Amino acid sequence: GENVEQHPSTLSVQEGDSAVIKCTYSDSASNYFPWYKQELGKGPQLIIDIRSNVGEKKDQRIAVTLNKTAKHFSLHITETQPEDSAVYFCAASQATNTGNQFYFGTGTSLTVIP
Amino acid sequence: NAGVMQNPRHLVRRRGQEARLRCSPMKGHSHVYWYRQLPEEGLKFMVYLQKENIIDESGMPKERFSAEFPKEGPSILRIQQVVRGDSAAYFCASSPLPLDTQYFGPGTRLTVL
Repeated sequence: GENVEQHPSTLSVQEGDSAVIKCTYSDSASNYFPWYKQELGKGPQLIIDIRSNVGEKKDQRIAVTLNKTAKHFSLHITETQPEDSAVYFCAASQATNTGNQFYFGTGTSLTVIP
Repeated sequence: NAGVMQNPRHLVRRRGQEARLRCSPMKGHSHVYWYRQLPEEGLKFMVYLQKENIIDESGMPKERFSAEFPKEGPSILRIQQVVRGDSAAYFCASSPLPLDTQYFGPGTRLTVL
């Protein structure tokens, strides 16, 4: 099955700096890569996603890049703000005839220091 | 459009009791996924259901755990004879189509005493 690794596990940045979180996956058949933000006591919220036919996607201060050859993808947050503090999860999936289950990384706890 | 709803939000059970977790998908979504999250870990897939069908239960423990998604009403994740190791947050997610992204509910936090 798919194995997703995520680094770093914790990340602290000064407000206004950039934050980068990296994930690798093992199954070359995976073709969909969402990123979720989870605040304490809440469910994961989708913040951005990318499909394997695209190399990069941007939404305001958030961007995701995908390198299919190397089987890794990254989340970039620019101009970080205190409200960006949360746990971020990457995931990989592939649509099959039995569904589209997500394989999640172990999470990155991001702290933005005011 | 209301999001994915889960209840209860918190559930306390003693060892040996049954836990029943409910998930109402977003309106128009007929695909439901259940995940389990242990403290400080990522989410682990448990089961994927469509209306009245279990499509993939490869992540479900072989014993004590079952899931259903009836024609009417919410999806139910049932854990019989709970043990302390079952303590975790259980999330469900829904999507309108199998290949679409999944939207998560707020989770049910199960504590087994």
